[in-house]
Amino acid sequence: NAGVTQTPKFQVLKTGQSMTLQCAQDMNHEYMSWYRQDPGMGLRLIHYSVGAGITDQGEVPNGYNVSRSTTEDFPLRLLSAAPSQTSVYFCASRYAGDHEQYFGPGTRLTVT
Amino acid sequence: KQEVTQIPAALSVPEGENLVLNCSFTDSAIYNLQWFRQDPGKGLTSLLLIQSSQREQTSGRLNASLDKSSGRSTLYIAASQPGDSATYLCAVFHLFKAAGNKLTFGGGTRVLVKP
Repeated sequence: NAGVTQTPKFQVLKTGQSMTLQCAQDMNHEYMSWYRQDPGMGLRLIHYSVGAGITDQGEVPNGYNVSRSTTEDFPLRLLSAAPSQTSVYFCASRYAGDHEQYFGPGTRLTVT
Repeated sequence: KQEVTQIPAALSVPEGENLVLNCSFTDSAIYNLQWFRQDPGKGLTSLLLIQSSQREQTSGRLNASLDKSSGRSTLYIAASQPGDSATYLCAVFHLFKAAGNKLTFGGGTRVLVKP
């Protein structure tokens, strides 16, 4: 199994640009989540999904959109990038009945 | 609101010494607690998961304890090696909304093991 994969690894955007961070898992996990990691703030939950077609907001959802059309994929969309969205983004997944979370390698995003 | 604290923020020890990493949380209504390792510029690797009903969990040189009533967990790493140098994060898994739950992370302890 590849586990949780994320693309791209690095990305630089200009303010106002849009982009999609990709996340995929091949473990047939029902739950998927997006976190951002910032110095001094730890990891914070952005959005999560409990299954295909079902998503909900986390702690810091503003400026981000998600959708879950398949079990495997959970893309994160930045509609109009802002410097405050400069961060490292992690995708995670787990089984519904198992709370151990598996994390992807992260995407380092810089917005100038 | 659940808050997770890790003290100290950084730790430096000579090779061979045992490491003791602390994690405290404010709300004892958790499902479990998970310890992660993060190397610079890398993702999170799960080390140990302790269910709320357990007192400790062991894997090789790693041992994690959990005291829910006092809101504390401790990660012990025996006979530290330079390869143990990394940031260690603890996270508690708890109810977030009626239909969801989430991990709340501590700020991490950055460990340096000197040869």
